[in-house]
Amino acid sequence: KAGVTQTPRYLIKTRGQQVTLSCSPISGHRSVSWYQQTPGQGLQFLFEYFSETQRNKGNFPGRFSGRQFSNSRSEMNVSTLELGDSALYLCASSATESVYGYTFGSGTRLTVV
Amino acid sequence: KQEVTQIPAALSVPEGENLVLNCSFTDSAIYNLQWFRQDPGKGLTSLLLIQSSQREQTSGRLNASLDKSSGRSTLYIAASQPGDSATYLCAVWDSNYQLIWGAGTKLIIKP
Repeated sequence: KAGVTQTPRYLIKTRGQQVTLSCSPISGHRSVSWYQQTPGQGLQFLFEYFSETQRNKGNFPGRFSGRQFSNSRSEMNVSTLELGDSALYLCASSATESVYGYTFGSGTRLTVV
Repeated sequence: KQEVTQIPAALSVPEGENLVLNCSFTDSAIYNLQWFRQDPGKGLTSLLLIQSSQREQTSGRLNASLDKSSGRSTLYIAASQPGDSATYLCAVWDSNYQLIWGAGTKLIIKP
C-alpha cells in the first residue's frame, strides 16, 4: 500500500515568487492536512481538506491557500514568498475524521532566497 | 486552551537501556493521542495511536499508555538501540478536532 506522497522533495525559490506543493494521500483516504515545520515555531497547522472542502484552517495569512481534488489529491499554494516561508511542509492523510490518526508524507523542503 | 508538554526536551542514554518519554496535556477532553518519531530533516512516522477509550497500545519494543484523568501519556521504549535516535513527538486531538503538538523529546542512544 503506497504511503503519502509529496512532491517535490526540495524547492528553492526567490522572494516574491509563488510555489505549489502537491500531496497524494493514501488510497482511500479522504482527509488531507497540511503543516509547516520550522525550528523556531515547531509544527503549525495550515489547513485540512475533506472531500474537496476546507474543514479547518490555521492562523496563516491569505498568501497560503490550498485545494483538494475529487481524487483526494491536494495542492498547497504560497504566493509572494517571504524568507520566513522557508520550512519543511508536511502533508498528512487520514481515512475519515482526522482524529483517527494521521499518516505523514516525507515533506517538501522549501528554501526561499 | 489545550497545551501539550513533553519532558524531557532531550535525553541521551546508553544502548540497551529501557526508557520512558513523557507527554502531558492540560485538558482531558481529548479524542485520541498519537506518538510520532521524526528523523532529522524527514517527515513524521506514526508510532502508536491511542484512542480516548484505550489505556495503552503496544508495537514491538514500544508501549504507549494514556491516563486521561491525569492528562498524561508515556512512551516506553525497551532495549533501546542506536536506530531509535530521533525526535519523538506527542500530539492530541482536542474537542475542536484540532491536533495539538508537543515540542518533542530529542532522543540519542549511544552505542
